[in-house]
Amino acid sequence: GESVGLHLPTLSVQEGDNSIINCAYSNSASDYFIWYKQESGKGPQFIIDIRSNMDKRQGQRVTVLLNKTVKHLSLQIAATQPGDSAVYFCAENTSGAGSYQLTFGKGTKLSVIP
Amino acid sequence: DSGVTQTPKHLITATGQRVTLRCSPRSGDLSVYWYQQSLDQGLQFLIQYYNGEERAKGNILERFSAQQFPDLHSELNLSSLELGDSALYFCASSPDGGMNTEAFFGQGTRLTVV
Repeated sequence: GESVGLHLPTLSVQEGDNSIINCAYSNSASDYFIWYKQESGKGPQFIIDIRSNMDKRQGQRVTVLLNKTVKHLSLQIAATQPGDSAVYFCAENTSGAGSYQLTFGKGTKLSVIP
Repeated sequence: DSGVTQTPKHLITATGQRVTLRCSPRSGDLSVYWYQQSLDQGLQFLIQYYNGEERAKGNILERFSAQQFPDLHSELNLSSLELGDSALYFCASSPDGGMNTEAFFGQGTRLTVV
C-alpha cells in the first residue's frame, strides 16, 4: 500500500551546523504534510506543516520544503542545538478535510554532537 | 506540556485481559485521535472522535474500541490482549479536526502485555 517513508534512519550533526531530514511519500492525493519531533518518553510534538499548494514554509529555525514532482519532503533545521536531538517524523493527511488522520513515516533519529 | 492528559502512563497486563486507556483532551478541543506506536509498525492512526461521534477509522482491530463522552474525554478499550498489542498508545486532540488545525499529542500510555 502507499506509505510515507524516510531516506535516512539516523543522522548525526555537529552543534551549530544545519540539519536536513528527508522524507519520501507515495500518496499523490495527499495535500497536507506535517513534521513532528518526538523526544524520548514524550509524545510527538508539532514542528511545522505545509500544504500542497506551497513549495516552502519557514518557521523559527525550521524550514519545510515540498517537491510534489518527485513526492519529496524535507525538514531543514538551522544552527542545530543539542535540544534538537530527537526522532523526527514526517506525516501526511490522507483523509482530506474534516479529519486529522495522519500516516506517519518511520522516523529519523537526529543526534547533535556538542 | 501539550495539555492532553493520558492515564495511566504505564500498564502491564496478561494476555487475554482487557484494559481501558483514558484521554483528556486540551480544554476546548472537540476532536480526539488515538494512535498506536510500536517498534515494527511506527505510529499508526487508530480512530478519531469529534464531539462524541466517530469521525474516522484507521487500522483499529475489532478487539479494540473507543468512545468519547459528553465531557469530551475519551477511552480506548483493548480486549483479548495479545503480546503483539504491547505498544505506546497516544491520544491527540485538536479544536475541530479540520486540516487547518494542529493536533497536540499526550505523553502516551505504555502498554506491556505479558
